[in-house]
Amino acid sequence: DIQMTQSPSPLSASVGDRVTITCRASQNISSFLNWYQQKPGQAPKLLIFGASTLQRGVPSRFRGSGSGTDFTLTISSLQPEDFATYYCQQSYDTTPFTFGPGTKVDVK
Amino acid sequence: QVQLQESGPGLVKPSETLSLTCTVSGDSISPYYWSWIRQPPGKGLEWIGYIYYSGSTKYNPSLKSRVSISVDTSKNQFSLKLSSVTAADTAVYYCARRGYHYYGSGNYLWFGPWGQGTLVTVSS
Repeated sequence: DIQMTQSPSPLSASVGDRVTITCRASQNISSFLNWYQQKPGQAPKLLIFGASTLQRGVPSRFRGSGSGTDFTLTISSLQPEDFATYYCQQSYDTTPFTFGPGTKVDVK
Repeated sequence: QVQLQESGPGLVKPSETLSLTCTVSGDSISPYYWSWIRQPPGKGLEWIGYIYYSGSTKYNPSLKSRVSISVDTSKNQFSLKLSSVTAADTAVYYCARRGYHYYGSGNYLWFGPWGQGTLVTVSS
């Protein structure tokens, strides 16, 4: 299985901060990397697919980058509704699909 | 807009079989792939498996011996069965559509939209 790791966790930040979350794959996954946002009591929501393509309706303050084994999710200016847990997920090897452990963004 | 809703017992006894159904509304179950994903309380996400509307399946090898996913296109539903459950199978179970984007030499794959999730507790 491809192992996914994320850092930091948790991440403490304030409204307006630029926030960067890192995801690393245990092997080269090209750009087959997705990012999800999960708020308490809710299902995950897709933010970015293909490492850098914003899902329709996702605010442009979210940006994904990277390829190979190292990826980042950047929130350019953190908004109150962005406090949540963020997961990366690889789709290079589909048996199985695997997720990172999550990065919780909380209030500093 | 497609919506998914999980249903099934919230409590299952150890060694028994967990059974859940996902009802899809707002769109046809064809011609998509449909997944089950679970999340133990306070922990991360684990992909269980998916089914194509035609019935072909793919499962997580870690669960393959205990998992079965089926589809009923006439009811726009798909279902999960997980046998011989233990406390480690206690989790919120989500159903989700497997999305894709064709980029020229393959497909990017992801999960979305998702159902709201249903908590299944394994306890006697």
